Amino acid sequence: GAVVSQHPSWVICKSGTSVKIECRSLDFQATTMFWYRQFPKQSLMLMATSNEGSKATYEQGVEKDKFLINHASLTLSTLTVTSAHPEDSSFYICSARDHNSTYEQYFGPGTRLTVT
Amino acid sequence: GQSLEQPSEVTAVEGAIVQINCTYQTSGFYGLSWYQQHDGGAPTFLSYNALDGLEETGRFSSFLSRSDSYGYLLLQELQMKDSASYFCAVRAISSGSARQLTFGSGTQLTVLP
Repeated sequence: GAVVSQHPSWVICKSGTSVKIECRSLDFQATTMFWYRQFPKQSLMLMATSNEGSKATYEQGVEKDKFLINHASLTLSTLTVTSAHPEDSSFYICSARDHNSTYEQYFGPGTRLTVT
Repeated sequence: GQSLEQPSEVTAVEGAIVQINCTYQTSGFYGLSWYQQHDGGAPTFLSYNALDGLEETGRFSSFLSRSDSYGYLLLQELQMKDSASYFCAVRAISSGSARQLTFGSGTQLTVLP
């Protein structure tokens, strides 16, 4: 099946710094990628949807200036958490939709961010 | 917007059958998906129903009734490795993006020996 990778798998950073998370579709082209955040024992909450070559669409309540998303190619999307705070500590998961598929989304392994 | 309801936890023994229900409210409905997630891992796709009826994939089956806005995931011959969280997710048109997934709160399944 299709594989989505994320890097790094975990990261610890200090408050006020920025962290970049990469999401790659390894064996398919993803015109659309999604970024989710998941707090412990909770559901996945969609943060934003990115389409290759265009600006991301953010969900209500998600600050676009804090969570910068770039989808520069059909296989790579990045999420940058700027000026991180401890409350940004979470599990960030990306998902990619194969442009040949009408419904299936493939999820990356997630990135656990801890802000100290 | 969309909302989904599913039980928070279910416990069953090895070899048993368990059904996890999901009811949803949404507009622009396309279909209902089910995902499995083990602790610390990523969600893995289990099934997708766009039309009414039962879809069977090995030990797992999923059912959808669009008129009732209801679906369920049926797990048969439970194994210890099936202990995980199970999420139903609605695929629907959204103001943010076409055909995006909205996840339910998840059902923690515990399989006992």
